[in-house]
Amino acid sequence: RKEVEQDPGPFNVPEGATVAFNCTYSNSASQSFFWYRQDCRKEPKLLMSVYSSGNEDGRFTAQLNRASQYISLLIRDSKLSDSATYLCVDLTGTASKLTFGTGTRLQVTL
Amino acid sequence: DAGVTQSPTHLIKTRGQHVTLRCSPISGHKSVSWYQQVLGQGPQFIFQYYEKEERGRGNFPDRFSARQFPNYSSELNVNALLLGDSALYLCASSPGLPNTEAFFGQGTRLTVV
Repeated sequence: RKEVEQDPGPFNVPEGATVAFNCTYSNSASQSFFWYRQDCRKEPKLLMSVYSSGNEDGRFTAQLNRASQYISLLIRDSKLSDSATYLCVDLTGTASKLTFGTGTRLQVTL
Repeated sequence: DAGVTQSPTHLIKTRGQHVTLRCSPISGHKSVSWYQQVLGQGPQFIFQYYEKEERGRGNFPDRFSARQFPNYSSELNVNALLLGDSALYLCASSPGLPNTEAFFGQGTRLTVV
């Protein structure tokens, strides 16, 4: 089983739609979780951290469910500029190793 | 402020050759990590260095090695290149450990022919 699993997509949604991505992780000792955004042929960029209490940043909401080892990202009112690959990431161990999922590709269309 | 800089940006090498990739972290950051990203996959952890010491190593063969210099810059070396080493190599910089805030460079795209 992969340490971090995501649906690769692609998710094709119209502008203005709400879209949700899910991610599961296998290491119950994982300390922290993040969502990164990666545009085509570019480096990953931190989108937001994920806390047990959930957190919101504008149109983006991230949730963590430790009991189910499940992380989600909700994007409301999708914009064309949201088109990218979204990477679910966990932070593990003393080496602070980031473990990435394969990424979920989002394409927002007119 | 300069972000994480990597060099070169693109590289073509022949099977069996050796390659050295370089990374300069954000000023003040003491931790550098290296990741390999093949097409269609997420980045895979190769190494982490903090204060010039190796703090973590991923599941990569001994052909891969790295080091961190006193100025916190880092080099990733790969010997005896294989076709499967073709990938985007990413360097991540963070202030310290744990690296809850990792910033990535633009990467070095390595093609092995």
